[in-house]
Amino acid sequence: ELKVEQNPLFLSMQEGKNYTIYCNYSTTSDRLYWYRQDPGKSLESLFVLLSNGAVKQEGRLMASLDTKARLSTLHITAAVHDLSATYFCAVARESGGGADGLTFGKGTHLIIQP
Amino acid sequence: NAGVTQTPKFRILKIGQSMTLQCAQDMNHNYMYWYRQDPGMGLKLIYYSVGAGITDKGEVPNGYNVSRSTTEDFPLRLELAAPSQTSVYFCASSYPDLRGMNYGYTFGSGTRLTVV
Repeated sequence: ELKVEQNPLFLSMQEGKNYTIYCNYSTTSDRLYWYRQDPGKSLESLFVLLSNGAVKQEGRLMASLDTKARLSTLHITAAVHDLSATYFCAVARESGGGADGLTFGKGTHLIIQP
Repeated sequence: NAGVTQTPKFRILKIGQSMTLQCAQDMNHNYMYWYRQDPGMGLKLIYYSVGAGITDKGEVPNGYNVSRSTTEDFPLRLELAAPSQTSVYFCASSYPDLRGMNYGYTFGSGTRLTVV
């Protein structure tokens, strides 16, 4: 059974600081996703990581994937208040296409204090 | 292009009542999914479908049923509502690329269901 663990689950940080969210998963997968969710809203896609060593960046967010360690990281650089949200990682349930959906972590609730 | 549309947005049910959550997509996606999200938790897969007439169970299917008669629609039915089904329900759709890889998920805005 595929398990996805995120840490930390709660994070309060100050604007301007850097931090990293970690996502570990238990079995082989060929796709890892990062989503953002604002309170009461749906999921917004941030990154899709498809291969070992993949790194993607968008603004102050950078995601990376190490398939050998079964680990992905979401790094926040010089945080700003607008990045306050809950961040989820999700892993494809099977390799080779994966029509059968994603397994999600519990999410990291991020609060950035002005 | 509306994407994935879910109705209703909110609903309160009494224990034992039944209801259908509607989900429609206009992107001609083959794959569709139902997830539930409990407070403070990630999403859990209820059912999924890889095309019209084909459905399969996810992680938490008990108490739910689905059907997929068309590519566009994927309704989720609760037959005998229970308090444990109080949750936010998200529908999603996706498509395989030319290599058969599936990586483009689109989520609906969710249905917030309370069972009392």
